[in-house]
Amino acid sequence: SQKIEQNSEALNIQEGKTATLTCNYTNYSPAYLQWYRQDPGRGPVFLLLIRENEKEKRKERLKVTFDTTLKQSLFHITASQPADSATYLCALEDSSASKIIFGSGTRLSIRP
Amino acid sequence: KAGVTQTPRYLIKTRGQQVTLSCSPISGHRSVSWYQQTPGQGLQFLFEYFSETQRNKGNFPGRFSGRQFSNSRSEMNVSTLELGDSALYLCASSSPGLGLDTQYFGPGTRLTVL
Repeated sequence: SQKIEQNSEALNIQEGKTATLTCNYTNYSPAYLQWYRQDPGRGPVFLLLIRENEKEKRKERLKVTFDTTLKQSLFHITASQPADSATYLCALEDSSASKIIFGSGTRLSIRP
Repeated sequence: KAGVTQTPRYLIKTRGQQVTLSCSPISGHRSVSWYQQTPGQGLQFLFEYFSETQRNKGNFPGRFSGRQFSNSRSEMNVSTLELGDSALYLCASSSPGLGLDTQYFGPGTRLTVL
């Protein structure tokens, strides 16, 4: 069956450290994968998109990797800050159904 | 550009009633998708409309329906509400071909069914 899974429901780390979130998928062949941030009571906000032929993408303190062999994407936030605390969602294109599928999200908490 | 707007932001209904939610996409975006978000199931795709036509549909019962108007505004309707329909309903607009279907989400409508 098709699945998209994010590593854990919650991740707590110390301010200044690098947060690493994992997204694994099964039985999809996405052309690209996206990462979104969602704050409580608000809609998700797009952060980064990485295509299948890209190994790594960066945006300021954010870095995303995409390994189509492992069927995995890693999302890194370096020099993390309490303001980075939010739920992070990965999403991929289900090309067979022409729609975007979201993971269940990882709730990240950065403690001062 | 103004973002995606959704009305109302909060709604309380009772079982058996019906509800209509509204979404105005970002200007120029012709695709509107609807999602249901609950703590247990996460973000689940309901359907997508493009140029007034339903292009994709998720695995939801027929009580969930939608439509899109010529100005790309979209409405979602849920009939015969059940307790399990309590959720955050999110609308997202996109412009296929520009940004590879990046979804721009509205703030959501929080529906509570009593």
